[in-house]
Amino acid sequence: NAGVTQTPKFRILKIGQSMTLQCAQDMNHNYMYWYRQDPGMGLKLIYYSVGAGITDKGEVPNGYNVSRSTTEDFPLRLELAAPSQTSVYFCASSYYDRDNEQFFGPGTRLTVL
Amino acid sequence: ILNVEQSPQSLHVQEGDSTNFTCSFPSSNFYALHWYRWETAKSPEALFVMTLNGDEKKKGRISATLNTKEGYSYLYIKGSQPEDSATYLCAFIPNSGYALNFGKGTSLLVTP
Repeated sequence: NAGVTQTPKFRILKIGQSMTLQCAQDMNHNYMYWYRQDPGMGLKLIYYSVGAGITDKGEVPNGYNVSRSTTEDFPLRLELAAPSQTSVYFCASSYYDRDNEQFFGPGTRLTVL
Repeated sequence: ILNVEQSPQSLHVQEGDSTNFTCSFPSSNFYALHWYRWETAKSPEALFVMTLNGDEKKKGRISATLNTKEGYSYLYIKGSQPEDSATYLCAFIPNSGYALNFGKGTSLLVTP
């Protein structure tokens, strides 16, 4: 199993550009999550999904969109990138129940200039 | 936003020392408490998931306890080794939600 994979690993965007961060998992997990990690701030939840076709906002959803058309994939879309979105983004997944551990991807480091 | 506090923020111990950290979370509306280990340049990895008051879990030299009535969990490392150097995160799931609410972590440095 590849586990949770994320692409790209690094990206530099100009202000106002858009991009999609890809996330895929091959563990047949129902739950998937997007977090951002800012220095000294810990992990903040952006969006999550409890199954294909179901998504919900987390703590910091503004400026992002997600979709979940399949169990495996959970892309994160940035529209009109802003410097405040400079961060490291982690995707995670877990089995169907909330008391199961989350498995994290390797992260995408995004810089918006 | 649910307040999850971790202390201390950072810790520096010598190899062989035992150490412990604290995670505080809202005692009402509790569902589960997770602990993760996060090494530099890697991704967080799960240590424990705890759901019952009084739970004690152990993995090698690392153990954790849970008190849901007073809203805290302790993580203990016995005989710290340099490879234990990492940031230790706790995360709380309320009964009313699906998502983990992370603390800012305790950064542990173990020197030989």
